[in-house]
Amino acid sequence: KAGVTQTPRYLIKTRGQQVTLSCSPISGHRSVSWYQQTPGQGLQFLFEYFSETQRNKGNFPGRFSGRQFSNSRSEMNVSTLELGDSALYLCASSGPRENTEAFFGQGTRLTVV
Amino acid sequence: GNSVTQMEGPVTLSEEAFLTINCTYTATGYPSLFWYVQYPGEGLQLLLKATKADDKGSNKGFEATYRKETTSFHLEKGSVQVSDSAVYFCALTNNQGGKLIFGQGTELSVKP
Repeated sequence: KAGVTQTPRYLIKTRGQQVTLSCSPISGHRSVSWYQQTPGQGLQFLFEYFSETQRNKGNFPGRFSGRQFSNSRSEMNVSTLELGDSALYLCASSGPRENTEAFFGQGTRLTVV
Repeated sequence: GNSVTQMEGPVTLSEEAFLTINCTYTATGYPSLFWYVQYPGEGLQLLLKATKADDKGSNKGFEATYRKETTSFHLEKGSVQVSDSAVYFCALTNNQGGKLIFGQGTELSVKP
């Protein structure tokens, strides 16, 4: 069974640009969550999608957005990039039942210069 | 609100030493508790979990017991190996739509 796949693995962007990250969950999983990991703030929850609906949202500015498609694949977008957005972005999928453990992808390392 | 506090690292041990990484939590209701491990350059892997009070999660020689009376979920291993060197995260979920709340992580380094 394939794991959670995140693309790309590495990304370098310039301040002010926007970026889209992709996450393909484990087959049959309907919930996809996104996290930001930085040395200073640790792991912080961005948002969670379930059956194409955002079900929960963390405390991030509106520049961070996401969506989920009918096949459960998810994308997150960050607009007007800032240097502080440099981080490892992790995607996790869980399901098909509620409250099952989350399986993480390897992450996308975003560097903003 | 819900939160998780882990002992600070880094923790450096010799091979075959006993490991304890402390984790305490604050949560309403009955959260599920997890330990995740992150190896260099990788995402997080679930190490073990416990979903109710007094449950013991175990995997690969690691154990943790859900203690509601002390709101703790300490990670233990009787004899660590060099390959256990990684960052360990304690986390909880409180039926909030898949949202995991993580501790700050504890870096473990095991020397031969």
